[in-house]
Amino acid sequence: GNSVTQMEGPVTLSEEAFLTINCTYTATGYPSLFWYVQYPGEGLQLLLKATKADDKGSNKGFEATYRKETTSFHLEKGSVQVSDSAVYFCALSGSGGSNYKLTFGKGTLLTVNP
Amino acid sequence: NAGVTQTPKFRVLKTGQSMTLLCAQDMNHEYMYWYRQDPGMGLRLIHYSVGEGTTAKGEVPDGYNVSRLKKQNFLLGLESAAPSQTSVYFCASSYPSERGSGRETQYFGPGTRLLVL
Repeated sequence: GNSVTQMEGPVTLSEEAFLTINCTYTATGYPSLFWYVQYPGEGLQLLLKATKADDKGSNKGFEATYRKETTSFHLEKGSVQVSDSAVYFCALSGSGGSNYKLTFGKGTLLTVNP
Repeated sequence: NAGVTQTPKFRVLKTGQSMTLLCAQDMNHEYMYWYRQDPGMGLRLIHYSVGEGTTAKGEVPDGYNVSRLKKQNFLLGLESAAPSQTSVYFCASSYPSERGSGRETQYFGPGTRLLVL
């Protein structure tokens, strides 16, 4: 079945540092890939997505590239801010007739210190 | 638009009690989902619905029931709560913009924190 593995947290960075959160996946077919973010006390919201190989999703300075050859979708940001402190989830869509369902990774807690 | 709302925000139950969590969305979405979030486990799908009057089991359906009598509402029921059901529950909805593509964005509610003693 489908699965998502993302780097264990927590990750603690200083403001303006470079961020990478690794995400690899196992899937059949051609899933779409997503990064969701959960700010403290809130629900998840979509950060970015990519729907086919070599696509790059980007939003709010975050980027991730769909790499089919390495089955990866790593999240990067060149200069993090305190306001980026949150839990980040990598996810992929299902396959076949149920590809609207998402499989989530366990989440990575990011804390950015001033 | 309110988006996805969940009621209640927080609840404490005793083992064996029952309760219903309500999810409502005002985006005219066809698909709705119930997840639970536990530390170190990510989000796991409990049940989902692809349209009014239809429901299906997800990854961890045992101990839960659902109903989708109206398109905008998706109810999650616990008939006899157990401590293992202590969790944060999230509802989500999506619209199949390209049916079968898997590209749909899911929109999440703020969550319900449930404690079962």
